[in-house]
Order: sequence, then structure tokens, then C-alpha cells
Amino acid sequence: SQQGEEDPQALSIQEGENATMNCSYKTSINNLQWYRQNSGRGLVHLILIRSNEREKHSGRLRVTLDTSKKSSSLLITASRAADTASYFCATDTGRRALTFGSGTRLQVQP
Amino acid sequence: EADIYQTPRYLVIGTGKKITLECSQTMGHDKMYWYQQDPGMELHLIHYSYGVNSTEKGDLSSESTVSRIRTEHFPLTLESARPSHTSQYLCASSEGNSDYFSQGYNTEAFFGQGTRLTVV
Repeated sequence: SQQGEEDPQALSIQEGENATMNCSYKTSINNLQWYRQNSGRGLVHLILIRSNEREKHSGRLRVTLDTSKKSSSLLITASRAADTASYFCATDTGRRALTFGSGTRLQVQP
Repeated sequence: EADIYQTPRYLVIGTGKKITLECSQTMGHDKMYWYQQDPGMELHLIHYSYGVNSTEKGDLSSESTVSRIRTEHFPLTLESARPSHTSQYLCASSEGNSDYFSQGYNTEAFFGQGTRLTVV
């Protein structure tokens, strides 16, 4: 079974709007990471939030983590057409490697 | 751009052929991984390595093998390709000697561009 699941599976918004995607996980974590993947390419790391942190910012990205609810959210503010991609959360449980969810496909309409 | 490279980017081969997917990184990372990803789907860990001469199987059963003779190189081999092997294969690496990692944590992973394999 998946450790991380993103919601929604797909999201379509207009340029300039904010995009919010959520990630839920099942077991305790050391950290949670968000990645971006353009179609047919590899993943690019966006942000890492540790289990003792509640919120983190990087440019137009804001990530929150609620360990009591085992959930995280990624907010992209003032979205641009170039933000169109799939976004994955990945959890570090201290096991062998990161475990990835199935992703949210974001489409930003110009 | 991350300094991790995969070749080839695209490969179409016939059933029964032996193939090797190459992955190299120039960041001196100890940890390296292979993930398999079907289009629009989650990533599945198939192999990983903590360093030279260290290789382990991941979560997804795979008929592939890997080797880690040099820190920078982590090739994946399919002895006899089948149509069920058609997928995208992603190689990644991460730092294994930071203080954060020494506590057993997995830090930021750097991914290659992927190899899209089609077996006909």
C-alpha cells in the first residue's frame, strides 16, 4: 500500500490563481519532501520539511506539515503556465529510500 | 540542473534482448537508486545502493540486476527483456555522509532525466 497519497489527482487552474495540493501518509516520518516532474522527465526537488517543522517557504511555494493528521500541503501562489507539471510528495521513514505517492497533475491555463 | 545522467533517453528493443541502462553522477553521492514509473503513476523503488559494492533490492519485484563498482556509476541490467518491462526507469542519488544522513534520514534526491524503455 502507498505511504503517500496526493489529492487531488488532477487540478486545472488559471494563471495567477493559487494551487493547493495535499499529501497524506500512514506511518511516522523523519521528513517529507515535495518534487516536481515535467512530462517525460526526471523529478526535481522543491522543498524538504522535517517532522519537527510546521511550515516552510521557498519563493512562491509554501509547505505545511501536520504530523498529528499525517498530512502535508503544498501551496503554489500566483501560478504561471510554466508551473504545469506533476507534483509528488515523498516521505522519509528512515527506511531504505524515499517513498513516493502517485502525484497531482497540475495544469495552469494561460 | 543535477549532475546525474542517464543513457539512453529512449530505447526500443525486441523481446529476449539483454540491455543495460546507464546512470552516472558526478556529485560524489554515496546513495543511489533505481525507480520504475509507469506514465502518470507513482514511483516504485526497484534497487538501491549505499556505496561501492553495496546493492539491495527495493520494494517492487524486478528481474533486473544492478552493480556498484564505482561510486559514480550504477548501471541496471535486464538479462532478457519482456514487454512487461516497458516503463520509464529513473535513476537518483543522494548525499550519504551529511550529519542529517548519519542519523538515518534520507535527504534530497537528485534525479536523472530517465530512460523510457519499450520492449516489443
